[in-house]
Amino acid sequence: QVQLQESGPGLVKPSQTLSLTCTVSGGSIISGGYHWSWIRQHPGKGLEWIGYVYYSGSTYYNPSLKSRLSISVDTSKNQFSLKLTSVTAADTAVYYCARDVGGDYDYVWQNYRPDYFDCWGQGTLVTVSS
Amino acid sequence: QSALTQPRSVSGSPGQSVTISCTGTSSDVGFYDYVSWYQQHPGKAPKLLIYDVSKRPSGVPDRFSGSKSGNTASLTISGLQAEDEADYYCCSYGGRYTSVFGTGTKVTVL
Repeated sequence: QVQLQESGPGLVKPSQTLSLTCTVSGGSIISGGYHWSWIRQHPGKGLEWIGYVYYSGSTYYNPSLKSRLSISVDTSKNQFSLKLTSVTAADTAVYYCARDVGGDYDYVWQNYRPDYFDCWGQGTLVTVSS
Repeated sequence: QSALTQPRSVSGSPGQSVTISCTGTSSDVGFYDYVSWYQQHPGKAPKLLIYDVSKRPSGVPDRFSGSKSGNTASLTISGLQAEDEADYYCCSYGGRYTSVFGTGTKVTVL
C-alpha cells in the first residue's frame, strides 16, 4: 500500500520561497506510469492542481503558477518536492501530494497522459504571513 | 484553464438518490474520458470514488456511479447514507498535461 507524506515549514514569509517535500513509502517512485503530483486547497475553497513530475524528471505545471513553480524528484530518497517562489497570502493553503495513475501513452509527449489521483498524502497547511 | 462547474450544494434524504453535475468544455470533459470524482470529508484528504468517467476502484460501494454526456459529467449517489455527507469534486484531464478540478459540491443528508 503506497503512502505519501508531506513535510516542510508551516509558516512562510511573504516574498519568500515555499518548499515542501513528499516522501513516498510502500512503493517505488520510479514505477512507470505514475505522475507524482501537488494539489492545493485554499481555506474553505476547492482543489487546485499545481503540477506533476515523472520519475524521469519531466515536469508539467499549472499555467497560472508556472512562472513561480518548480517541482523536482529525488529517486534515491523516493521523494519529490515543490518550490513556489515569491509567495503572498494568496498562497496560503493546504498542500497535498498525490499519485496520479497515467492513462494512455502519448507518443507526441512521450509520456502517459495524467488520468486520476489514487493515493493522497494527509495534507499540510502552509500559511504565508509575516 | 477554468475550473469545471459544479453546483454549490445538493441535498437528499437517506435512501434517496442525488446527482452532481460537472460541466467543462470540449477541450477537457467533452474531449477526454479521463474524468474522476473525489469525496472529501472535513479535515481529510480527498478519496478517489470514480475514474475514467464510470469506473469504481475496489472498495468503493456501487451506490456511487459516474457518467458523461457531451461536456458534462455526472456523479450519482444512490441510496444516500449519512456518511455520504461530504464535499465532492470532479477532475478532468485538460490536455497538454494539465488537469483541472471542479468547483466542488457539498452534499447534505437531510
